[in-house]
Amino acid sequence: GNSVTQMEGPVTLSEEAFLTINCTYTATGYPSLFWYVQYPGEGLQLLLKATKADDKGSNKGFEATYRKETTSFHLEKGSVQVSDSAVYFCALRVSNFGNEKLTFGTGTRLTIIP
Amino acid sequence: GAVVSQHPSWVICKSGTSVKIECRSLDFQATTMFWYRQFPKQSLMLMATSNEGSKATYEQGVEKDKFLINHASLTLSTLTVTSAHPEDSSFYICSANPAGGISYEQYFGPGTRLTVT
Repeated sequence: GNSVTQMEGPVTLSEEAFLTINCTYTATGYPSLFWYVQYPGEGLQLLLKATKADDKGSNKGFEATYRKETTSFHLEKGSVQVSDSAVYFCALRVSNFGNEKLTFGTGTRLTIIP
Repeated sequence: GAVVSQHPSWVICKSGTSVKIECRSLDFQATTMFWYRQFPKQSLMLMATSNEGSKATYEQGVEKDKFLINHASLTLSTLTVTSAHPEDSSFYICSANPAGGISYEQYFGPGTRLTVT
Protein backbone atom coordinates (compact mmCIF):
# COMPACT_ATOMS: atom_id res chain seq x y z
CA GLY A 1 0.00 0.00 0.00
CA ASN A 2 0.86 3.66 -0.04
CA SER A 3 2.19 5.46 3.02
CA VAL A 4 3.99 8.64 4.01
CA THR A 5 6.30 9.03 6.99
CA GLN A 6 7.38 12.46 8.13
CA MET A 7 9.41 13.59 11.07
CA GLU A 8 7.53 14.05 14.27
CA GLY A 9 7.17 17.46 15.74
CA PRO A 10 6.87 19.80 17.19
CA VAL A 11 9.80 21.63 15.68
CA THR A 12 10.82 24.95 17.20
CA LEU A 13 13.34 27.18 15.48
CA SER A 14 14.58 30.73 15.81
CA GLU A 15 13.83 33.21 13.07
CA GLU A 16 16.26 33.01 10.12
CA ALA A 17 17.26 29.44 10.97
CA PHE A 18 17.50 26.71 8.32
CA LEU A 19 14.57 24.34 8.17
CA THR A 20 14.40 20.70 7.11
CA ILE A 21 11.33 18.54 7.58
CA ASN A 22 11.97 14.97 6.48
CA CYS A 23 9.45 13.00 4.46
CA THR A 24 9.78 9.49 3.04
CA TYR A 25 7.22 7.43 1.22
CA THR A 26 6.27 4.00 -0.01
CA ALA A 27 4.04 3.68 -3.02
CA THR A 28 2.85 1.27 -5.65
CA GLY A 29 3.34 2.85 -9.02
CA TYR A 30 4.72 6.32 -9.68
CA PRO A 31 3.43 8.86 -7.20
CA SER A 32 3.17 12.62 -7.35
CA LEU A 33 4.39 14.23 -4.14
CA PHE A 34 3.07 17.25 -2.28
CA TRP A 35 3.62 19.46 0.71
CA TYR A 36 0.57 21.08 2.27
CA VAL A 37 0.60 23.76 4.95
CA GLN A 38 -2.09 24.51 7.50
CA TYR A 39 -1.98 27.89 9.21
CA PRO A 40 -3.86 28.31 12.49
CA GLY A 41 -7.61 28.33 11.95
CA GLU A 42 -7.34 27.72 8.21
CA GLY A 43 -7.66 24.78 5.84
CA LEU A 44 -4.75 22.93 4.27
CA GLN A 45 -3.16 24.76 1.35
CA LEU A 46 -0.96 23.28 -1.32
CA LEU A 47 2.56 24.60 -0.74
CA LEU A 48 4.46 22.83 -3.50
CA LYS A 49 4.44 19.70 -5.62
CA ALA A 50 6.60 17.45 -7.78
CA THR A 51 5.22 14.97 -10.25
CA LYS A 52 8.26 12.94 -11.30
CA ALA A 53 11.69 11.92 -10.12
CA ASP A 54 14.28 14.71 -9.77
CA ASP A 55 11.61 17.41 -10.03
CA LYS A 56 12.04 20.24 -7.56
CA GLY A 57 8.95 21.95 -6.22
CA SER A 58 9.33 25.45 -4.81
CA ASN A 59 7.13 28.17 -3.38
CA LYS A 60 7.48 30.99 -0.84
CA GLY A 61 11.15 30.13 -0.29
CA PHE A 62 10.39 26.48 0.43
CA GLU A 63 11.86 23.71 -1.73
CA ALA A 64 11.58 19.94 -1.97
CA THR A 65 13.18 17.56 -4.46
CA TYR A 66 11.59 14.28 -5.52
CA ARG A 67 14.27 11.65 -4.82
CA LYS A 68 13.22 8.31 -6.21
CA GLU A 69 16.41 6.52 -5.13
CA THR A 70 15.82 7.39 -1.49
CA THR A 71 12.00 7.63 -1.75
CA SER A 72 12.16 11.03 -0.09
CA PHE A 73 10.70 14.50 -0.49
CA HIS A 74 12.27 16.58 2.27
CA LEU A 75 11.04 20.13 2.78
CA GLU A 76 13.68 22.85 3.18
CA LYS A 77 13.83 26.59 3.67
CA GLY A 78 16.98 28.59 4.08
CA SER A 79 15.70 31.26 6.45
CA VAL A 80 12.43 30.81 8.25
CA GLN A 81 10.15 33.59 9.45
CA VAL A 82 7.64 33.81 12.27
CA SER A 83 4.89 33.73 9.65
CA ASP A 84 6.02 30.22 8.64
CA SER A 85 4.66 28.84 11.91
CA ALA A 86 2.10 26.22 10.85
CA VAL A 87 1.55 22.50 10.48
CA TYR A 88 3.15 20.94 7.42
CA PHE A 89 1.85 17.77 5.77
CA CYS A 90 3.67 15.63 3.24
CA ALA A 91 1.37 13.72 0.88
CA LEU A 92 1.40 11.52 -2.18
CA ARG A 93 -1.04 10.62 -4.91
CA VAL A 94 -0.91 7.63 -7.19
CA SER A 95 -3.31 7.81 -10.10
CA ASN A 96 -5.46 4.73 -10.23
CA PHE A 97 -8.00 4.79 -13.03
CA GLY A 98 -9.29 8.17 -11.94
CA ASN A 99 -9.16 7.48 -8.23
CA GLU A 100 -7.09 10.46 -7.22
CA LYS A 101 -6.77 9.85 -3.51
CA LEU A 102 -4.21 11.69 -1.42
CA THR A 103 -2.27 9.83 1.27
CA PHE A 104 -1.00 12.11 4.04
CA GLY A 105 1.76 11.97 6.61
CA THR A 106 0.99 12.78 10.23
CA GLY A 107 1.94 16.43 9.98
CA THR A 108 4.77 18.37 11.60
CA ARG A 109 4.00 21.39 13.72
CA LEU A 110 6.55 24.16 13.20
CA THR A 111 6.92 27.10 15.55
CA ILE A 112 9.29 29.96 14.75
CA ILE A 113 10.29 32.21 17.63
CA PRO A 114 11.51 35.77 17.06
CA GLY B 1 -10.34 32.43 -4.75
CA ALA B 2 -10.93 28.70 -4.19
CA VAL B 3 -12.33 28.96 -0.69
CA VAL B 4 -13.99 26.04 1.06
CA SER B 5 -15.99 26.60 4.23
CA GLN B 6 -17.25 24.18 6.84
CA HIS B 7 -20.07 24.63 9.29
CA PRO B 8 -20.07 24.33 12.18
CA SER B 9 -16.43 24.74 13.12
CA TRP B 10 -17.05 23.08 16.47
CA VAL B 11 -19.96 21.01 17.75
CA ILE B 12 -20.75 19.09 20.91
CA CYS B 13 -23.52 16.52 20.87
CA LYS B 14 -24.86 13.87 23.18
CA SER B 15 -24.30 10.19 22.58
CA GLY B 16 -27.03 8.70 20.40
CA THR B 17 -27.89 11.89 18.55
CA SER B 18 -27.01 12.80 14.97
CA VAL B 19 -25.03 15.76 13.76
CA LYS B 20 -24.68 17.25 10.31
CA ILE B 21 -21.55 18.97 9.00
CA GLU B 22 -21.70 21.13 5.88
CA CYS B 23 -18.93 21.69 3.37
CA ARG B 24 -19.34 24.47 0.83
CA SER B 25 -17.20 25.65 -2.06
CA LEU B 26 -17.75 29.41 -1.96
CA ASP B 27 -16.40 30.61 -5.28
CA PHE B 28 -16.19 27.56 -7.50
CA GLN B 29 -18.16 24.49 -8.45
CA ALA B 30 -16.95 21.16 -7.19
CA THR B 31 -17.83 17.93 -8.94
CA THR B 32 -15.96 15.95 -6.31
CA MET B 33 -15.63 16.50 -2.58
CA PHE B 34 -13.66 14.45 -0.09
CA TRP B 35 -14.25 13.86 3.61
CA TYR B 36 -11.32 13.19 5.93
CA ARG B 37 -11.03 12.35 9.58
CA GLN B 38 -8.05 13.36 11.67
CA PHE B 39 -7.17 12.02 15.11
CA PRO B 40 -4.70 13.88 17.33
CA LYS B 41 -1.14 13.51 16.09
CA GLN B 42 -2.27 11.33 13.21
CA SER B 43 -2.59 11.92 9.53
CA LEU B 44 -5.75 12.74 7.66
CA MET B 45 -7.61 9.56 6.81
CA LEU B 46 -9.86 9.66 3.79
CA MET B 47 -13.35 8.52 4.72
CA ALA B 48 -15.22 8.91 1.46
CA THR B 49 -15.36 10.57 -1.92
CA SER B 50 -18.60 12.20 -2.96
CA ASN B 51 -19.58 13.11 -6.48
CA GLU B 52 -22.40 15.51 -7.21
CA GLY B 53 -25.60 13.67 -7.97
CA SER B 54 -24.33 10.19 -7.20
CA LYS B 55 -23.64 7.97 -4.23
CA ALA B 56 -20.50 8.48 -2.22
CA THR B 57 -17.63 6.01 -2.42
CA TYR B 58 -16.53 4.96 1.05
CA GLU B 59 -13.08 3.79 2.05
CA GLN B 60 -12.62 0.35 3.49
CA GLY B 61 -13.63 0.19 7.13
CA VAL B 62 -15.86 3.28 7.04
CA GLU B 63 -19.48 2.55 7.94
CA LYS B 64 -21.63 4.07 5.23
CA ASP B 65 -24.78 3.81 7.34
CA LYS B 66 -23.13 5.73 10.14
CA PHE B 67 -21.47 8.44 8.10
CA LEU B 68 -24.07 9.61 5.60
CA ILE B 69 -22.76 11.77 2.81
CA ASN B 70 -24.91 13.82 0.48
CA HIS B 71 -23.55 15.89 -2.40
CA ALA B 72 -26.74 17.58 -3.48
CA SER B 73 -25.26 20.41 -5.50
CA LEU B 74 -22.01 21.50 -7.08
CA THR B 75 -21.24 23.69 -4.08
CA LEU B 76 -22.47 21.69 -1.10
CA SER B 77 -21.70 18.34 0.47
CA THR B 78 -22.90 17.24 3.89
CA LEU B 79 -21.64 14.61 6.30
CA THR B 80 -24.12 13.33 8.87
CA VAL B 81 -22.80 11.33 11.79
CA THR B 82 -25.73 9.20 12.90
CA SER B 83 -26.20 7.82 16.40
CA ALA B 84 -22.96 9.41 17.45
CA HIS B 85 -20.79 7.82 20.13
CA PRO B 86 -17.77 9.18 22.01
CA GLU B 87 -15.42 7.25 19.71
CA ASP B 88 -16.74 9.37 16.82
CA SER B 89 -15.20 12.43 18.45
CA SER B 90 -12.65 13.72 15.98
CA PHE B 91 -11.68 16.49 13.59
CA TYR B 92 -13.49 16.20 10.27
CA ILE B 93 -12.08 17.96 7.21
CA CYS B 94 -13.55 18.28 3.74
CA SER B 95 -11.89 19.18 0.48
CA ALA B 96 -13.25 20.03 -2.93
CA ASN B 97 -11.96 19.36 -6.42
CA PRO B 98 -13.00 22.11 -8.87
CA ALA B 99 -15.03 21.10 -11.87
CA GLY B 100 -12.69 20.85 -14.83
CA GLY B 101 -9.69 21.43 -12.56
CA ILE B 102 -6.42 19.57 -12.43
CA SER B 103 -7.06 16.25 -10.73
CA TYR B 104 -4.66 16.83 -7.83
CA GLU B 105 -6.07 20.26 -7.10
CA GLN B 106 -7.97 19.89 -3.85
CA TYR B 107 -9.00 22.86 -1.73
CA PHE B 108 -9.52 22.17 1.95
CA GLY B 109 -11.97 23.47 4.48
CA PRO B 110 -10.81 24.56 7.95
CA GLY B 111 -12.30 21.49 9.63
CA THR B 112 -15.02 20.73 12.15
CA ARG B 113 -14.25 19.46 15.62
CA LEU B 114 -16.88 17.04 16.86
CA THR B 115 -17.09 16.10 20.53
CA VAL B 116 -19.59 13.46 21.57
CA THR B 117 -20.39 13.32 25.26
